[in-house]
Amino acid sequence: KAGVTQTPRYLIKTRGQQVTLSCSPISGHRSVSWYQQTPGQGLQFLFEYFSETQRNKGNFPGRFSGRQFSNSRSEMNVSTLELGDSALYLCASSPGPDRLGYGYTFGSGTRLTVV
Amino acid sequence: EDQVTQSPEALRLQEGESSSLNCSYTVSGLRGLFWYRQDPGKGPEFLFTLYSAGEEKEKERLKATLTKKESFLHITAPKPEDSATYLCAVQAPTDKLIFGTGTRLQVFP
Repeated sequence: KAGVTQTPRYLIKTRGQQVTLSCSPISGHRSVSWYQQTPGQGLQFLFEYFSETQRNKGNFPGRFSGRQFSNSRSEMNVSTLELGDSALYLCASSPGPDRLGYGYTFGSGTRLTVV
Repeated sequence: EDQVTQSPEALRLQEGESSSLNCSYTVSGLRGLFWYRQDPGKGPEFLFTLYSAGEEKEKERLKATLTKKESFLHITAPKPEDSATYLCAVQAPTDKLIFGTGTRLQVFP
C-alpha cells in the first residue's frame, strides 16, 4: 500500500517568488492536512481539506493557500516567499474526520529553502 | 488557548535504561491525543491514539498512558534504534492537531 507522496522533496527559491507543493494521500483517504515544521516552532498547522473543502485553517498569512482535487490530491501554494518561509512542509492524510483511531499518516515532506 | 508542552526537550539514555517522556496539555474538549515518532529527514510516524483518561496502549518497548492533564510515553529497556524525536499532539473539537515541540531521545549502546 503506497504511503503519502509529497513532491518535490527539495526546493530552493528566491525571495519574492511563489511555490506550489503537491501531496498525494493514501488511496481511499479523503482528508489532507498541511503542516510547517521549523526548528524553533515545531509543527504548525496550516490547513485541512476534506472532500475538496477547507475544514480548518491555521494562523498563517494569506500568502499561504491550498486546494484539494476530486481525487483527494492536494496542493499548497506560497506566494511572495520570505526567508522565514524556509521550512519542512509536511502533508498528512487520514480516512476522514470521524476515523480518529487511524491517526494521520505523514509524508516525508518538502524541504523548502528561500534564499 | 489550546497548548501542548513536552518534557524533557532532550534525553540521553544508556541501552536498557528505562525512562518516561511527558506531554502536558490544555485543550477544551479533547478528541484524542496522539504520539508520533520522527526520524531525521522523515515525516512523523504514527504510534498511538488515546481517547480518555485511564487509557493505556502498548507497542513493543513503548507504552502510552493518559490522564486528564498529561500523557506519558514509557520506554522500557530502550535500544539504539529507539533514538528519534517523539512528538505528542492533541486534537481539539475543531479537529486541528496541536503539536508539542517534541523530545529528542538518544539511546547509546
